[in-house]
Amino acid sequence: GENVEQHPSTLSVQEGDSAVIKCTYSDSASNYFPWYKQELGKRPQLIIDIRSNVGEKKDQRIAVTLNKTAKHFSLHITETQPEDSAVYFCAARDDKIIFGKGTRLHILP
Amino acid sequence: DAGVIQSPRHEVTEMGQEVTLRCKPISGHNSLFWYRQTMMRGLELLIYFNNNVPIDDSGMPEDRFSAKMPNASFSTLKIQPSEPRDSAVYFCASTQGHSNQPQHFGDGTRLSIL
Repeated sequence: GENVEQHPSTLSVQEGDSAVIKCTYSDSASNYFPWYKQELGKRPQLIIDIRSNVGEKKDQRIAVTLNKTAKHFSLHITETQPEDSAVYFCAARDDKIIFGKGTRLHILP
Repeated sequence: DAGVIQSPRHEVTEMGQEVTLRCKPISGHNSLFWYRQTMMRGLELLIYFNNNVPIDDSGMPEDRFSAKMPNASFSTLKIQPSEPRDSAVYFCASTQGHSNQPQHFGDGTRLSIL
């Protein structure tokens, strides 16, 4: 079955700098790659997703890249702000969705 | 759109008791997923349904866990008997149609087994 690895587990970034979170997946049949943000005590919320026919997608300060050959995808957050502090999960989906273990992002003042 | 609705939001009970968690998916969504989230193991998929039929229950920890979806607008996750190690946040999520659609999560049930 699908296996999703996510790195790093914790990331501290100075406010205004960029943050990058990387994930790899094992099942070449996976065709959908969402990213979720989870604030403390709240539910995971979709922030951006990418489908396998696209290599890159951007939404304001957030971008995601996908390399299907290497089976890895990344989340990029630019000009980080305090409200970006949260846990971020990547996921890969074919018939069912498998999540990475999460990255706890701290934005330092 | 009311979103995915879970109840209760919090549950505290003694070990050995039966626990029932409830979920109402978003209207029109035909896939429903149950997850368990802990610090140690992250977000684990327990079971998912497609058109009310269980498709994959390989994530269900053991026979003490069972899930049903009697109709398109309701699902339950039951633990009987409950144990302290079942303490976690349980999320329900739903999605519409094809596999490349986003999942929408409920607010979760925080379960504490004493």
